[in-house]
Amino acid sequence: ETGVTQSPTHLIKTRGQQVTLRCSSQSGHNTVSWYQQALGQGPQFIFQYYREEENGRGNFPPRFSGLQFPNYSSELNVNALELDDSALYLCASSSNTYEQYFGPGTRLTVT
Amino acid sequence: SQQGEEDPQALSIQEGENATMNCSYKTSINNLQWYRQNSGRGLVHLILIRSNEREKHSGRLRVTLDTSKKSSSLLITASRAADTASYFCATPPYSGAGSYQLTFGKGTKLSVIP
Repeated sequence: ETGVTQSPTHLIKTRGQQVTLRCSSQSGHNTVSWYQQALGQGPQFIFQYYREEENGRGNFPPRFSGLQFPNYSSELNVNALELDDSALYLCASSSNTYEQYFGPGTRLTVT
Repeated sequence: SQQGEEDPQALSIQEGENATMNCSYKTSINNLQWYRQNSGRGLVHLILIRSNEREKHSGRLRVTLDTSKKSSSLLITASRAADTASYFCATPPYSGAGSYQLTFGKGTKLSVIP
C-alpha cells in the first residue's frame, strides 16, 4: 500500500504566474483534500474532491481551482500568483473516514 | 478562520517528562483529532476522539475531551527526542456535505531536550 505522494517538492514562481501541484492519493482512497499552510500557522482548508466532484470549499478565491481524476489523483491549480500564496501546500486523502492521510507537501515560493 | 486554538504555543521539556497540550474549539463537534507535523513536512494522524467519548489512549498518548467546556487535551507520557514536532488539533464540520474537511488550530510546538 503506497502513501500519499505530492510533486514537486519545492517550487519557485514569479508573481502573476500560474502553478499546478499534483497529488496521488493513498490506494483505495476516494476523497482528496487540499490545504494551505503558511509559515507558523495551521493548515487552512482549500477544497475537497470526492469521486471527481468538488465537495466543499474553504475561503479561497476562484483563482484556486482543482481537479480529481478517475484514479483519484488530484491537481491544485493557482492562477495569477500573489506573494501571499507562498506556503506549504498539503494534500490529504481519505476513504469514508474522518482520519486523513497527508502527503509530504509542496513548498511554493512566490517572488 | 481557526476552529481550534492550542495552548501553549510552544513547550520545551526534558526527555522522559510528560507533555500536555490543550485545545479549545468554538462550535459543536462530531469528533476531534490530533495530528503531528515534523519540521514543516506532512501531518501524521495520531488519534481521533468522538464527541461521546471522554478519554482515549494510544500507546504513550492520552487524549481527553470535555464537550461542555469545548476543550481537549493531549498528553504524551515519557517523552522522547523523536516527539519533537508541532501538534495540531483538528475538527470536521458537525454534519453535512464536506464532513471530512478539517479545521486546524495554530498548533503547539513541542521541543524535547535529550
